[in-house]
Amino acid sequence: SSELTQDPTVSVALGQTVRITCQGDSLRYYYANWYQQKPGQAPVLVIYGQNNRPSGIPDRFSGSTSGNTASLTITGAQAADEADYYCNSRDSSGNHLVFGGGTKLTVL
Amino acid sequence: QVQLQESGPGLVKPSETLSLTCTVSGGSISSYYWHWIRRPPGKGLEWIGYISYSGGTNYNPSLKSRVTISLDTSKNQFSLKLSSVTAAGTAVYYCARGSTYAGTWYVDYWGQGTLVTVSS
Repeated sequence: SSELTQDPTVSVALGQTVRITCQGDSLRYYYANWYQQKPGQAPVLVIYGQNNRPSGIPDRFSGSTSGNTASLTITGAQAADEADYYCNSRDSSGNHLVFGGGTKLTVL
Repeated sequence: QVQLQESGPGLVKPSETLSLTCTVSGGSISSYYWHWIRRPPGKGLEWIGYISYSGGTNYNPSLKSRVTISLDTSKNQFSLKLSSVTAAGTAVYYCARGSTYAGTWYVDYWGQGTLVTVSS
Protein backbone atom coordinates (compact mmCIF):
# COMPACT_ATOMS: atom_id res chain seq x y z
CA SER A 1 0.00 0.00 0.00
CA SER A 2 1.14 3.54 -0.75
CA GLU A 3 1.83 6.26 1.81
CA LEU A 4 -0.25 8.52 -0.44
CA THR A 5 -3.91 7.58 -0.88
CA GLN A 6 -6.04 8.49 -3.89
CA ASP A 7 -9.60 7.60 -4.87
CA PRO A 8 -9.37 4.97 -7.61
CA THR A 9 -12.00 6.55 -9.86
CA VAL A 10 -13.55 9.98 -10.30
CA SER A 11 -15.94 11.23 -12.96
CA VAL A 12 -16.92 14.71 -14.14
CA ALA A 13 -19.36 16.11 -16.68
CA LEU A 14 -17.81 17.88 -19.64
CA GLY A 15 -17.12 21.51 -18.79
CA GLN A 16 -17.60 21.07 -15.05
CA THR A 17 -15.03 21.34 -12.26
CA VAL A 18 -13.47 18.29 -10.63
CA ARG A 19 -11.15 17.84 -7.67
CA ILE A 20 -8.83 14.86 -7.35
CA THR A 21 -7.40 14.34 -3.87
CA CYS A 22 -4.28 12.77 -2.37
CA GLN A 23 -3.93 12.07 1.35
CA GLY A 24 -0.81 11.37 3.35
CA ASP A 25 1.01 12.46 6.49
CA SER A 26 4.04 13.62 4.49
CA LEU A 27 1.88 16.24 2.77
CA ARG A 28 1.90 18.22 6.01
CA TYR A 29 5.60 18.83 5.37
CA TYR A 30 6.21 18.44 1.63
CA TYR A 31 4.37 19.73 -1.42
CA ALA A 32 2.57 17.34 -3.76
CA ASN A 33 3.18 17.08 -7.47
CA TRP A 34 0.68 15.81 -10.03
CA TYR A 35 1.09 13.78 -13.22
CA GLN A 36 -1.34 12.94 -16.02
CA GLN A 37 -0.96 9.62 -17.84
CA LYS A 38 -2.95 8.59 -20.89
CA PRO A 39 -3.01 5.00 -22.18
CA GLY A 40 0.20 3.98 -23.90
CA GLN A 41 1.94 7.26 -23.05
CA ALA A 42 4.47 8.39 -20.51
CA PRO A 43 3.27 10.47 -17.56
CA VAL A 44 3.26 14.25 -17.95
CA LEU A 45 3.91 16.65 -15.09
CA VAL A 46 0.94 19.01 -14.71
CA ILE A 47 1.55 20.59 -11.28
CA TYR A 48 4.69 20.77 -9.14
CA GLY A 49 5.46 22.34 -5.80
CA GLN A 50 1.78 22.43 -4.92
CA ASN A 51 0.59 24.94 -7.53
CA ASN A 52 3.16 25.56 -10.28
CA ARG A 53 2.35 24.65 -13.87
CA PRO A 54 5.11 23.64 -16.29
CA SER A 55 5.18 25.40 -19.63
CA GLY A 56 2.40 24.21 -21.93
CA ILE A 57 0.02 23.02 -19.19
CA PRO A 58 -3.38 24.76 -19.44
CA ASP A 59 -4.36 27.08 -16.62
CA ARG A 60 -7.49 25.02 -15.94
CA PHE A 61 -5.17 22.79 -13.87
CA SER A 62 -4.40 24.00 -10.34
CA GLY A 63 -3.17 22.54 -7.08
CA SER A 64 -3.71 23.18 -3.39
CA THR A 65 -3.10 21.62 0.03
CA SER A 66 -5.01 21.59 3.29
CA GLY A 67 -3.53 19.69 6.20
CA ASN A 68 -2.61 16.21 5.01
CA THR A 69 -4.63 16.42 1.79
CA ALA A 70 -3.44 17.75 -1.56
CA SER A 71 -5.86 18.45 -4.37
CA LEU A 72 -5.65 18.78 -8.13
CA THR A 73 -8.52 20.85 -9.51
CA ILE A 74 -9.51 20.90 -13.16
CA THR A 75 -11.78 23.85 -13.89
CA GLY A 76 -13.87 23.25 -17.00
CA ALA A 77 -12.86 19.65 -17.69
CA GLN A 78 -12.29 18.72 -21.32
CA ALA A 79 -12.54 15.35 -23.04
CA ALA A 80 -8.75 15.49 -23.45
CA ASP A 81 -8.39 15.48 -19.65
CA GLU A 82 -9.64 11.90 -19.37
CA ALA A 83 -6.61 10.04 -18.01
CA ASP A 84 -5.00 8.54 -14.93
CA TYR A 85 -3.71 11.09 -12.45
CA TYR A 86 -0.97 10.42 -9.91
CA CYS A 87 0.23 12.50 -7.00
CA ASN A 88 3.73 12.18 -5.61
CA SER A 89 5.81 13.62 -2.84
CA ARG A 90 8.55 12.69 -0.43
CA ASP A 91 7.64 9.97 2.03
CA SER A 92 7.09 10.49 5.75
CA SER A 93 10.80 10.03 6.46
CA GLY A 94 11.61 12.65 3.84
CA ASN A 95 14.22 10.34 2.38
CA HIS A 96 12.39 8.68 -0.49
CA LEU A 97 9.93 9.43 -3.29
CA VAL A 98 6.44 7.94 -3.26
CA PHE A 99 3.49 7.93 -5.66
CA GLY A 100 -0.18 7.69 -4.86
CA GLY A 101 -2.10 4.74 -6.24
CA GLY A 102 -3.59 6.85 -9.03
CA THR A 103 -7.06 8.14 -9.92
CA LYS A 104 -8.78 7.28 -13.19
CA LEU A 105 -10.68 10.37 -14.35
CA THR A 106 -13.66 9.86 -16.64
CA VAL A 107 -15.13 12.86 -18.47
CA LEU A 108 -18.81 12.23 -19.20
CA GLN B 1 14.25 20.13 -25.07
CA VAL B 2 15.51 17.27 -22.93
CA GLN B 3 14.74 13.80 -24.27
CA LEU B 4 15.26 10.43 -22.60
CA GLN B 5 15.26 7.02 -24.25
CA GLU B 6 15.29 3.64 -22.54
CA SER B 7 16.99 0.63 -24.09
CA GLY B 8 17.52 -2.97 -23.07
CA PRO B 9 16.06 -6.48 -23.31
CA GLY B 10 12.29 -6.77 -23.35
CA LEU B 11 12.35 -10.29 -21.89
CA VAL B 12 14.19 -11.44 -18.79
CA LYS B 13 14.10 -14.87 -17.18
CA PRO B 14 13.08 -15.29 -13.54
CA SER B 15 16.00 -15.10 -11.07
CA GLU B 16 18.16 -13.22 -13.61
CA THR B 17 19.17 -9.54 -13.64
CA LEU B 18 17.15 -6.91 -15.49
CA SER B 19 19.42 -4.30 -17.12
CA LEU B 20 18.28 -1.07 -18.77
CA THR B 21 20.08 2.02 -20.02
CA CYS B 22 18.70 5.52 -20.45
CA THR B 23 20.29 7.90 -22.97
CA VAL B 24 19.77 11.61 -22.34
CA SER B 25 19.85 14.12 -25.16
CA GLY B 26 19.27 17.85 -25.33
CA GLY B 27 20.91 18.47 -21.99
CA SER B 28 23.77 17.43 -19.74
CA ILE B 29 23.45 14.58 -17.30
CA SER B 30 25.94 16.39 -15.07
CA SER B 31 23.17 18.10 -13.16
CA TYR B 32 19.72 17.17 -11.84
CA TYR B 33 18.61 13.78 -10.50
CA TRP B 34 18.02 10.76 -12.70
CA HIS B 35 15.22 8.38 -11.78
CA TRP B 36 13.89 4.96 -12.66
CA ILE B 37 10.14 4.43 -12.22
CA ARG B 38 7.99 1.49 -13.26
CA ARG B 39 4.33 0.70 -13.82
CA PRO B 40 3.25 -2.95 -13.60
CA PRO B 41 0.26 -3.95 -15.77
CA GLY B 42 -2.99 -2.80 -14.20
CA LYS B 43 -1.19 -1.06 -11.34
CA GLY B 44 0.14 2.37 -10.50
CA LEU B 45 3.54 4.02 -10.68
CA GLU B 46 6.32 2.78 -8.41
CA TRP B 47 9.51 4.72 -7.76
CA ILE B 48 12.62 2.51 -8.01
CA GLY B 49 15.34 5.02 -7.20
CA TYR B 50 17.55 7.84 -8.42
CA ILE B 51 21.16 8.78 -8.95
CA SER B 52 22.29 12.35 -8.54
CA TYR B 53 24.56 14.27 -10.89
CA SER B 54 27.36 13.68 -8.38
CA GLY B 55 26.78 9.92 -8.28
CA GLY B 56 24.89 9.64 -5.00
CA THR B 57 22.08 7.07 -5.02
CA ASN B 58 18.74 6.69 -3.25
CA TYR B 59 16.60 3.58 -3.62
CA ASN B 60 13.07 2.47 -2.75
CA PRO B 61 13.49 0.59 0.55
CA SER B 62 11.38 -2.30 -0.77
CA LEU B 63 13.83 -2.85 -3.67
CA LYS B 64 17.07 -1.57 -2.18
CA SER B 65 18.75 -4.96 -1.74
CA ARG B 66 18.37 -5.76 -5.46
CA VAL B 67 18.80 -2.37 -7.20
CA THR B 68 21.86 -0.62 -8.58
CA ILE B 69 21.69 2.65 -10.52
CA SER B 70 24.84 3.99 -12.14
CA LEU B 71 25.88 7.02 -14.17
CA ASP B 72 28.12 7.36 -17.26
CA THR B 73 28.65 11.07 -17.83
CA SER B 74 30.93 10.46 -20.83
CA LYS B 75 28.01 8.90 -22.70
CA ASN B 76 25.25 11.01 -21.09
CA GLN B 77 23.64 7.78 -19.88
CA PHE B 78 22.47 6.20 -16.67
CA SER B 79 21.57 2.59 -16.04
CA LEU B 80 19.41 0.31 -13.91
CA LYS B 81 20.19 -3.18 -12.70
CA LEU B 82 17.54 -5.15 -10.80
CA SER B 83 18.68 -8.58 -9.68
CA SER B 84 16.76 -11.76 -8.87
CA VAL B 85 13.68 -10.71 -10.79
CA THR B 86 10.34 -12.49 -10.52
CA ALA B 87 7.11 -12.18 -12.49
CA ALA B 88 6.25 -9.21 -10.26
CA GLY B 89 9.00 -7.36 -12.07
CA THR B 90 7.02 -7.31 -15.30
CA ALA B 91 6.29 -3.64 -15.97
CA VAL B 92 6.82 -0.66 -18.19
CA TYR B 93 10.07 0.90 -16.98
CA TYR B 94 10.57 4.65 -17.33
CA CYS B 95 13.70 6.68 -16.97
CA ALA B 96 13.15 10.28 -15.98
CA ARG B 97 14.78 13.54 -14.90
CA GLY B 98 14.15 14.86 -11.42
CA SER B 99 14.25 18.38 -10.05
CA THR B 100 13.63 20.05 -6.72
CA TYR B 101 11.47 22.98 -5.62
CA ALA B 102 11.16 24.27 -2.07
CA GLY B 103 12.09 20.88 -0.65
CA THR B 104 9.81 19.01 -3.06
CA TRP B 105 11.17 16.37 -5.40
CA TYR B 106 9.42 16.06 -8.74
CA VAL B 107 9.97 14.52 -12.16
CA ASP B 108 9.77 16.87 -15.13
CA TYR B 109 10.92 14.82 -18.13
CA TRP B 110 10.13 11.17 -18.83
CA GLY B 111 11.28 8.63 -21.37
CA GLN B 112 8.63 6.90 -23.45
CA GLY B 113 8.96 3.74 -21.36
CA THR B 114 9.99 0.21 -22.23
CA LEU B 115 8.06 -2.95 -21.43
CA VAL B 116 10.06 -5.63 -19.66
CA THR B 117 8.47 -9.03 -19.24
CA VAL B 118 9.83 -11.53 -16.73
CA SER B 119 9.10 -15.00 -18.00
CA SER B 120 10.87 -18.25 -18.74
